[in-house]
Amino acid sequence: DTAVSQTPKYLVTQMGNDKSIKCEQNLGHDTMYWYKQDSKKFLKIMFSYNNKELIINETVPNRFSPKSPDKAHLNLHINSLELGDSAVYFCASSQGELGNTIYFGEGSWLTVV
Amino acid sequence: DQQVKQNSPSLSVQEGRISILNCDYTNSMFDYFLWYKKYPAEGPTFLISISSIKDKNEDGRFTVFLNKSAKHLSLHIVPSQPGDSAVYFCEKGGKLIFGQGTELSVKP
Repeated sequence: DTAVSQTPKYLVTQMGNDKSIKCEQNLGHDTMYWYKQDSKKFLKIMFSYNNKELIINETVPNRFSPKSPDKAHLNLHINSLELGDSAVYFCASSQGELGNTIYFGEGSWLTVV
Repeated sequence: DQQVKQNSPSLSVQEGRISILNCDYTNSMFDYFLWYKKYPAEGPTFLISISSIKDKNEDGRFTVFLNKSAKHLSLHIVPSQPGDSAVYFCEKGGKLIFGQGTELSVKP
């Protein structure tokens, strides 16, 4: 069983489209994250939710909107996609307060053309 | 402001030798650091951590050293194996800040 699963794994879409990436974790964790790995390979936190509440919201365009229907899910919706949004997006989860080991999904490769 | 830096983007080592991956940090307000390992087309996975109250933590072939005065930590892999070939990230625990990664290649 995959602990943190995200779909789709690959996504190619045109500029201006709206797309979503779904994430689910079956570890019973109460904190979930979205990370972006850009072309320079930096792994940067975008959002963090604890018990469905937003606790971290880094400097991310408003076009990115996370949604957490329950503790086990954190979906990422992106409006009006731009070329610069092309990256690998990783969902992750951990238990308890920030600082515990983070468990990552396999990543979603988004290419905007 | 990149608070965690891995200045070597890549490292190539012969099988059986020691691999040393380095990480520098700027802010001293932390509890511990974590190292993650990432294979291509997979997400990072936790490898080893070190608390600020220690200067060394060992787990099998992996040892992490923390030099607080130099604000530097390093991951040693001895002996290196081809299966260790991956990208290694250091993370500032509690801050969700990762270095940019070092790609290790262990050649048979």
